[in-house]
Amino acid sequence: AQSVTQPDIHITVSEGASLELRCNYSYGATPYLFWYVQSPGQGLQLLLKYFSGDTLVQGIKGFEAEFKRSQSSFNLRKPSVHWSDAAEYFCAVGPSGNTGKLIFGQGTTLQVKP
Amino acid sequence: GAVVSQHPSWVICKSGTSVKIECRSLDFQATTMFWYRQFPKQSLMLMATSNEGSKATYEQGVEKDKFLINHASLTLSTLTVTSAHPEDSSFYICSAGDRTSGPYYNEQFFGPGTRLTVL
Repeated sequence: AQSVTQPDIHITVSEGASLELRCNYSYGATPYLFWYVQSPGQGLQLLLKYFSGDTLVQGIKGFEAEFKRSQSSFNLRKPSVHWSDAAEYFCAVGPSGNTGKLIFGQGTTLQVKP
Repeated sequence: GAVVSQHPSWVICKSGTSVKIECRSLDFQATTMFWYRQFPKQSLMLMATSNEGSKATYEQGVEKDKFLINHASLTLSTLTVTSAHPEDSSFYICSAGDRTSGPYYNEQFFGPGTRLTVL
């Protein structure tokens, strides 16, 4: 079955520290992978995506992610976290079926300490 | 490009009334739209998938008579919560994609969400 696991429900980092959010997936074919960020009361904003090619993907707001097929992972990283990065982060994989459904992870809440 | 809007952004209604939420793709043709529900501190739960001009496909456990979805055009889908009750209070998010061809084939673009509160 297709699934996405974000092992860390809640992460707290100090401002200026590095960040890594984990994402593991189970998918039968070549996956399309996404990271989204959601601020409270807002919709989802796409941070980055991986379809093919270079396995290290650069996104917006200084984020990057690396696709590792052997580990079925697509971890999100940022070298120096800013207080404004505090939000909910979702990893997703797709498409699922003919409709292009996305399968979402449970999300990781990022808290940034001053 | 690829902007999706939702209206209203928040709505409060009395128990027993119906509420309609609109989802519009502003700059592309959305052949497929998705409706999600999100509870506090939880992930998105897919409610249904709709293709333009066709009946929506509902996920298991979602009452199709309660959550009416219409996707009559390539830029508009509506979700109507019928006879709303307090347990229907939630954050509803739509997304849109173009499953015909082109750069948006494998992506979804999300609306800003609608907060529904049923008193």
